[in-house]
Amino acid sequence: GAGVSQSPSNKVTEKGKDVELRCDPISGHTALYWYRQSLGQGLEFLIYFQGNSAPDKSGLPSDRFSAERTGGSVSTLTIQRTQQEDSAVYLCASSAYTSVTGELFFGEGSRLTVL
Amino acid sequence: GNSVTQMEGPVTLSEEAFLTINCTYTATGYPSLFWYVQYPGEGLQLLLKATKADDKGSNKGFEATYRKETTSFHLEKGSVQVSDSAVYFCALSDLNTGNQFYFGTGTSLTVIP
Repeated sequence: GAGVSQSPSNKVTEKGKDVELRCDPISGHTALYWYRQSLGQGLEFLIYFQGNSAPDKSGLPSDRFSAERTGGSVSTLTIQRTQQEDSAVYLCASSAYTSVTGELFFGEGSRLTVL
Repeated sequence: GNSVTQMEGPVTLSEEAFLTINCTYTATGYPSLFWYVQYPGEGLQLLLKATKADDKGSNKGFEATYRKETTSFHLEKGSVQVSDSAVYFCALSDLNTGNQFYFGTGTSLTVIP
């Protein structure tokens, strides 16, 4: 696609429910990132996919968080048993690994509100 | 390891004032350096970048020079406008770590008329 696409743009859920957030990166981009941005805060790294390599999951805050990337393209971030502190904007970004000056392109984000 | 440290905010300036937002980095290799900007209600977008020492990135009147000797990439603008009000993020990308991006915490800038 023309840019990084994320869905849903807004999600309101009840505490304890599971949610799935989807990211469709720019075609051909092998690197994909998930970040979390809480209100007024910076970017919190969650997970990084690079081609067929094992993902860097070092930023996932708990085992309730997981992410997959199918076929090296679309990624899904899953949050199980959501808590109120999970409320944030979840940002996806992609880049072309082969470029040493690889720019990171961000999606508009998925705003999650846990009631 | 790799990390980015940037100036704490928020920063409030009057229109036409000079802006500096400090950014320093730690990297194991030879990173590329970036400034990203997030305007209110919008997603992050690249503002400027530099790929090697002494390179100067520039865009929209903003400049930043890649200083290897001081491991810095400070953002400057000679005369800010109200429309520059945004959050600015310094970042690095290092081939030695698979081109993974590392971001600073962001600096909020408000420009008042």
